[in-house]
Amino acid sequence: ETGVTQTPRHLVMGMTNKKSLKCEQHLGHNAMYWYKQSAKKPLELMFVYSLEERVENNSVPSRFSPECPNSSHLFLHLHTLQPEDSALYLCASSQARTSEPGDEQFFGPGTRLTVL
Amino acid sequence: KQEVTQIPAALSVPEGENLVLNCSFTDSAIYNLQWFRQDPGKGLTSLLLIQSSQREQTSGRLNASLDKSSGRSTLYIAASQPGDSATYLCAPSSYNTDKLIFGTGTRLQVFP
Repeated sequence: ETGVTQTPRHLVMGMTNKKSLKCEQHLGHNAMYWYKQSAKKPLELMFVYSLEERVENNSVPSRFSPECPNSSHLFLHLHTLQPEDSALYLCASSQARTSEPGDEQFFGPGTRLTVL
Repeated sequence: KQEVTQIPAALSVPEGENLVLNCSFTDSAIYNLQWFRQDPGKGLTSLLLIQSSQREQTSGRLNASLDKSSGRSTLYIAASQPGDSATYLCAPSSYNTDKLIFGTGTRLQVFP
């Protein structure tokens, strides 16, 4: 176990559904990330939260809406998705960079999303 | 814009061989570089983290080297085992942000 958990592990949804992905980290980190992994493409960063503030939105469509209520939890709310959004969604956490080196990112197991 | 290339894309070897996986990146202004392994359909497991000021890191049978000026990192796997079969991903992080940029990985199969 890496200390980062994600639920659900698998999700099938229609294009008109609303669903949410959840990520929780038990490592005492203060930065959290959402990544998307599509078939045969590199992992793509979607969002970064550092100290509970969104510091990066990597040109992600508005049908993906992140929420970070505290430093241990991160959500990705999904609404009116397209079939091409089907992918493995990975959450990660790290200690936000200050003046100290480190920042090793630890990943959860991912949510396999299928949009019909 | 940082671009990461991993060579080879796939590798199939008998167990016991020593392996070299290559990673190159276009922007040498990195803060650190991580190597991960990913089993099919699973999340990423962090293997090694090399700070930009370091030349190499070792963990068990794994050794990662970093030549920042030439934009290269290499992962050495000694005495490979079937359990090493996975996709190996290289990810440098930008000097200005915590953002990791990933390569497409090297898919490794070690057969008995």
